[in-house]
Amino acid sequence: NAGVTQTPKFRILKIGQSMTLQCTQDMNHNYMYWYRQDPGMGLKLIYYSVGAGITDKGEVPNGYNVSRSTTEDFPLRLELAAPSQTSVYFCASILVPGRNGLFFGSGTQLSVL
Amino acid sequence: KNEVEQSPQNLTAQEGEFITINCSYSVGISALHWLQQHPGGGIVSLFMLSSGKKKHGRLIATINIQEKHSSLHITASHPRDSAVYICAARNYGGSQGNLIFGKGTKLSVKP
Repeated sequence: NAGVTQTPKFRILKIGQSMTLQCTQDMNHNYMYWYRQDPGMGLKLIYYSVGAGITDKGEVPNGYNVSRSTTEDFPLRLELAAPSQTSVYFCASILVPGRNGLFFGSGTQLSVL
Repeated sequence: KNEVEQSPQNLTAQEGEFITINCSYSVGISALHWLQQHPGGGIVSLFMLSSGKKKHGRLIATINIQEKHSSLHITASHPRDSAVYICAARNYGGSQGNLIFGKGTKLSVKP
């Protein structure tokens, strides 16, 4: 098993550009999450999904969109990038919340200039 | 005030020392996670516990539900334990997305 695969690892965007962060897991987990990590702050939930075709907003969803067409894939789309979106992004998945551990992708360091 | 508070924020230890990192939370929880974030940035799950104590190698995690407190202990610490340790509480009755993260404890173990 590869676990959670997240790409790219690094990206620099100009203000107003768009991009998609890819996240794929091969563990057949229904629950998937996107977090952002800002310096000195705890991880914040952007969006999550409890299964294919089902997504919901987290704590900081503005400026982002997600889709979940398959169990494996949970891409995060940034539209009209802004400097406030400069952060480190993590994708994660879990088999059963409250019963199992979380699996994280390796992270994407994004700078918007 | 954060719903999940970790202490200390930073911790420097000598190799071989016993280390304790604390996590206090103010919400009712169904589970608590301890995570390790390596200097390179990757995050791995160390423990998920809802009561009592769990042990894995030199790592021990305990939780006291009544006192709303959890601790992560590292015995015989080693420089490779240097990392940021994060606790995250799963809010009881919250949405399936609802994990509340602490800000992390940065541990540095000197040889």
